[in-house]
Amino acid sequence: DTAVSQTPKYLVTQMGNDKSIKCEQNLGHDTMYWYKQDSKKFLKIMFSYNNKELIINETVPNRFSPKSPDKAHLNLHINSLELGDSAVYFCASSHLSGNEQYFGPGTRLTVT
Amino acid sequence: KNQVEQSPQSLIILEGKNCTLQCNYTVSPFSNLRWYKQDTGRGPVSLTIMTFSENTKSNGRYTATLDADTKQSSLHITASQLSDSASYICVVRGGAGNMLTFGGGTRLMVKP
Repeated sequence: DTAVSQTPKYLVTQMGNDKSIKCEQNLGHDTMYWYKQDSKKFLKIMFSYNNKELIINETVPNRFSPKSPDKAHLNLHINSLELGDSAVYFCASSHLSGNEQYFGPGTRLTVT
Repeated sequence: KNQVEQSPQSLIILEGKNCTLQCNYTVSPFSNLRWYKQDTGRGPVSLTIMTFSENTKSNGRYTATLDADTKQSSLHITASQLSDSASYICVVRGGAGNMLTFGGGTRLMVKP
C-alpha cells in the first residue's frame, strides 16, 4: 500500500554512465516532482510535472531529464553521470501543484 | 531572492523536554508555510501547514506558529519522545511563480 515508491533505493555507478531512477505513485495525484538532497541536507526541486506542464528548475543540467509514461509514473534519467551528482533523490506527488506533497523513500545515488 | 533560514542547525535534548525550532523567511508574496519531519533514510512527511491568516496550529505534541508580519515561524515540540529524533524542514510557498523554497532543516536528537 506504498503511496510513493522509488527504485532502486541505492545506486552505485561510475562517472560517465547513464542511469534511471523510477518513481510510481498510487494516490491518484496529478502532479509529480523530483528533488535532490545534497550532503548538507538541503532539498532542491529539480522538476515538477503534470499532464499539461513541465517546470524545470533552471539550475538543473540538461543531463537530467524526466520522463512520464503515464500519470502515475515520473522517471528520472541522468546522462553522463558526474561525481557531483552523488546525492539522495526524492520523488514526490501532490493533488494539484499547490497542495501537500507526499514523498517517496529516496534513492541514494553514489557516483565513483 | 527568496530564502528560508532555520535555526538551530542541530539540537540535542533529553526525552520529555520541550524545544522550539525557528524558521525565518524572505519569500514574498507569501502563500503558505509547511513544516516537514524527515526521519533518517526516509522522505519528508508534512506536519502542519500555515496560511497567512493562521497564527497557531497544533498537531498532537507539535505546535506551529506564524507571524506573517515579521516573516517568522516556529515549531514547538512538547514532551519530546525518542521518535521525535529527525530533521525538521520549513518550506515556504510564494514568490514569483508561487514556487517552494526549502530551509536547510534542523536536526533534532532526543536522548534518553
